[in-house]
Amino acid sequence: DGGITQSPKYLFRKEGQNVTLSCEQNLNHDAMYWYRQDPGQGLRLIYYSQIVNDFQKGDIAEGYSVSREKKESFPLTVTSAQKNPTAFYLCASTPAGAGELFFGEGSRLTVL
Amino acid sequence: KNEVEQSPQNLTAQEGEFITINCSYSVGISALHWLQQHPGGGIVSLFMLSSGKKKHGRLIATINIQEKHSSLHITASHPRDSAVYICAVESSTLVFGAGTILRVKS
Repeated sequence: DGGITQSPKYLFRKEGQNVTLSCEQNLNHDAMYWYRQDPGQGLRLIYYSQIVNDFQKGDIAEGYSVSREKKESFPLTVTSAQKNPTAFYLCASTPAGAGELFFGEGSRLTVL
Repeated sequence: KNEVEQSPQNLTAQEGEFITINCSYSVGISALHWLQQHPGGGIVSLFMLSSGKKKHGRLIATINIQEKHSSLHITASHPRDSAVYICAVESSTLVFGAGTILRVKS
């Protein structure tokens, strides 16, 4: 079945550590997105990519980095520079940057 | 002021009731999405619409472009409809509402 797979589902990190969240899709979608969700707030865009080897900063990119070496994969690294990284992270994709949104199950990061 | 406002923030209904969730936005849009987020966190797309009305099972979504307003209706609500319902609009980027937490009691 086609879909988006995020891993890990839960992740704990000590302050000062970088962590990488995985996002893989087998939908053949061109566009992929990373969102952050905090309680009581709408999803906020961290980074997005419309094509392999290209990505753009979203509204809250500081302290995060991404890569898009393959169409299927869009990993997100939460660096130690991110001041408040504890959150729920969602990866999404759409065909050619528009259309129905497909989401992964999310990754919950907790900084201890 | 947020670009996308949803109301109500929280809604508790009795099984079988007709439910309406509202979404107002302040920017020009090319499309509007209604999404459903279950307690585990995963999000599924319910509707994408740019005009008129769409229906899928017990769910109906309407949009009024002139009034910058959309509604999501659930007929004959059921406890399994309990979830967070999120409105998102496509302008230059996608902008999300904060969501409406729906609880349907049996």
